[in-house]
Amino acid sequence: DSGVTQTPKHLITATGQRVTLRCSPRSGDLSVYWYQQSLDQGLQFLIQYYNGEERAKGNILERFSAQQFPDLHSELNLSSLELGDSALYFCASSVQGAMIGELFFGEGSRLTVL
Amino acid sequence: GESVGLHLPTLSVQEGDNSIINCAYSNSASDYFIWYKQESGKGPQFIIDIRSNMDKRQGQRVTVLLNKTVKHLSLQIAATQPGDSAVYFCAEEGGNQFYFGTGTSLTVIP
Repeated sequence: DSGVTQTPKHLITATGQRVTLRCSPRSGDLSVYWYQQSLDQGLQFLIQYYNGEERAKGNILERFSAQQFPDLHSELNLSSLELGDSALYFCASSVQGAMIGELFFGEGSRLTVL
Repeated sequence: GESVGLHLPTLSVQEGDNSIINCAYSNSASDYFIWYKQESGKGPQFIIDIRSNMDKRQGQRVTVLLNKTVKHLSLQIAATQPGDSAVYFCAEEGGNQFYFGTGTSLTVIP
């Protein structure tokens, strides 16, 4: 158990809909990262937050947004969903804000868009 | 942009043999690399890391080798066990993010 909690574990929705994925980092970790994992691709970095502030941005679509709340949990919002958004979405946390050191991953939220 | 590639998408080894998983990276300026293991239905789990000022780093049954000349990273697993069956990712740090490869699926044959 990494200590990172993601909900929901599975989510099935239709195209055009909007979903919110939630992540609770390990106790004491200030950084939260979101990754997308599709079948034929590795882990694609979406976005990082550190202590409530956006720290780094990857290939995150404009239809996607995220935030980190004062209690350090984070939410990833996916809107106007398309079939191609079906993927595993991972949240990871770390103590530091810099991209160094171990990332602790949750077990992911599997999104299926029909 | 960055690209992290893996030489083989799948690898099968006999239990007890050593495994070698390879990874090529493209950014010669990358300073930090990590290997992750992802078991079925789980999130990636840190195995070992290495900085660019090192050529080799050893952990418990695992060794990471870094060849900066050819931009190549490898993960060696000694005495491979059934529990080592998983997908292994290398990741390189660059530009405020980690770039992950597509992964190598390791199957251990009992």
